[in-house]
Amino acid sequence: SQQGEEDPQALSIQEGENATMNCSYKTSINNLQWYRQNSGRGLVHLILIRSNEREKHSGRLRVTLDTSKKSSSLLITASRAADTASYFCATDPFLDYGKLTFGQGTILTVHP
Amino acid sequence: DAGVIQSPRHEVTEMGQEVTLRCKPISGHNSLFWYRQTMMRGLELLIYFNNNVPIDDSGMPEDRFSAKMPNASFSTLKIQPSEPRDSAVYFCASSDTKKRDRGTIYFGEGSWLTVV
Repeated sequence: SQQGEEDPQALSIQEGENATMNCSYKTSINNLQWYRQNSGRGLVHLILIRSNEREKHSGRLRVTLDTSKKSSSLLITASRAADTASYFCATDPFLDYGKLTFGQGTILTVHP
Repeated sequence: DAGVIQSPRHEVTEMGQEVTLRCKPISGHNSLFWYRQTMMRGLELLIYFNNNVPIDDSGMPEDRFSAKMPNASFSTLKIQPSEPRDSAVYFCASSDTKKRDRGTIYFGEGSWLTVV
């Protein structure tokens, strides 16, 4: 079964707008990760946030983690058409093996 | 630096045939994962290896599926006999659990399997 649940399932915005995707999970985690998948390609790692961190930035990406609510959000600022992809959150309940469980993903479409 | 390499990229086969998917992980990585992606079930972890040893194969659907990792640079996922419901994208991924960012896994481009 899927650990993470992304919300919304699909998001359509205009270039330049911000995109926010949310992820909820059920069990305790060591870290939570966000991945991106372009159509027909493999998943690409975007950012990892550890359970003792609350916020992390990487370029136009901002990730927050609330372990009390078992939720995370991914914010993409100043979106571009090239950001069009599916975004997945993944939870890592094990410290040593990176055995990730993925959510169903959010399909983001950025219109030029 | 080469990423995770999978072959074949695309395969169409007839029901009942044996299918072998191959994976070369990133050099130096000590964990390897096989995932399956379908529209209905999303991404499912089938099996993962650590230091060439299968650690958890609880995601392998049934006895028709088997995976091996004879050495640190090669793994196979075999389906015998294949069925139409096995049609999916199969991803291999690897990670280095010794590094500080352990937990981050690196995916190959996938093997797109169609069983007719």
